[in-house]
Amino acid sequence: AQKVTQAQTEISVVEKEDVTLDCVYETRDTTYYLFWYKQPPSGELVFLIRRNSFDEQNEISGRYSWNFQKSTSSFNFTITASQVVDSAVYFCALAFDSGNTPLVFGKGTRLSVIA
Amino acid sequence: DSGVTQTPKHLITATGQRVTLRCSPRSGDLSVYWYQQSLDQGLQFLIQYYNGEERAKGNILERFSAQQFPDLHSELNLSSLELGDSALYFCASSVYLRGNTEAFFGQGTRLTVV
Repeated sequence: AQKVTQAQTEISVVEKEDVTLDCVYETRDTTYYLFWYKQPPSGELVFLIRRNSFDEQNEISGRYSWNFQKSTSSFNFTITASQVVDSAVYFCALAFDSGNTPLVFGKGTRLSVIA
Repeated sequence: DSGVTQTPKHLITATGQRVTLRCSPRSGDLSVYWYQQSLDQGLQFLIQYYNGEERAKGNILERFSAQQFPDLHSELNLSSLELGDSALYFCASSVYLRGNTEAFFGQGTRLTVV
């Protein structure tokens, strides 16, 4: 079964703290793609990152970093020095190389950053 | 701004009615996806069109239908509405047919059925 689990439903941190959002996925495919999307209070879904299953290098973009570990089927997202504007729901998603099956989303993690 | 436009932003209607949600994809994108976001089900894929043809179907009810027009805009038709259809409906677009490329989402249409 293809599945994405975000075990943390809600996280609350104080501004400037670092926070890690967990994502665990299940798939039998050897080629797949992992994504993170952000949904701020305004409601739109904003694309953050796409990573394929053959690239296990960690990625850093400003205060955001992603840790992909195939051995544990995890693709975790860390925000360093969190800011109030980071408050949003964050979704991890999975897609496949075969066919045109669209994104399979996790249930999301609601992050609240308190000033 | 993702470049994907959805109208209307909000819609309130009564049970049993029919509504049409509209989506204009990003310029050059041939694939359009529709998703439903509800509190209990999360983000659920409904249907995908690519260059005018239906290419994938998810958990879409028979009361719902969609189409993609020659100018690539898409419409999602919801009929015989029930209270449980209240949700945020997203349209997303991408360049390619395959779902493994990043999709860009519109701001959504919030449907409230009363």
